[in-house]
Amino acid sequence: GIQVEQSPPDLILQEGANSTLRCNFSDSVNNLQWFHQNPWGQLINLFYIPSGTKQNGRLSATTVATERYSLLYISSSQTTDSGVYFCAVGPNFGNEKLTFGTGTRLTIIP
Amino acid sequence: DAGVTQSPTHLIKTRGQQVTLRCSPKSGHDTVSWYQQALGQGPQFIFQYYEEEERQRGNFPDRFSGHQYPNYSSELNVNALLLGDSALYLCASRRTGAGTEAFFGQGTRLTVV
Repeated sequence: GIQVEQSPPDLILQEGANSTLRCNFSDSVNNLQWFHQNPWGQLINLFYIPSGTKQNGRLSATTVATERYSLLYISSSQTTDSGVYFCAVGPNFGNEKLTFGTGTRLTIIP
Repeated sequence: DAGVTQSPTHLIKTRGQQVTLRCSPKSGHDTVSWYQQALGQGPQFIFQYYEEEERQRGNFPDRFSGHQYPNYSSELNVNALLLGDSALYLCASRRTGAGTEAFFGQGTRLTVV
């Protein structure tokens, strides 16, 4: 099956810093989503981005499908950005299962 | 618009018992999937239901079974619970079709003692 790798596994930053999280996947996809998992376990949708670039406030994401990677950018980090960020992909047409990476744990220090 | 809702939020069961978890999908969604997330790992796909039938299944034993009702709500049943079944169980819903966005519920945290 498709493999999803996220890097870095852990990231500790000062409040106000910028960060880039990366997601590599091993096959073509028709679905790619970024999630933020809060301390209570809920997965919050950040972006649905199988290709192209999107922005939402301080967050933006880019997926280069031909090169099989996606990037999540967080600017001017706040302590509320802390948590685990997951990339998940749906590999084939009609195969709607999401395969998750192992996540990036982001800690923002005041 | 209510999102995906799951019940209960927490559950403690004894090894060997059976458990049923419930999920109501987001309005307008007809496909429901279940995921298991062990501590420190990403969610793992268990199975997916559409039109009241299991359509896809991940690498989980037959002790894990499910059901979907005509109103698209779904249940996950786990029989003969093992200590290793302790995890966060997440339900996701989406509109059927390739490449549609999935939304997750808040999860049920199952502890097997």
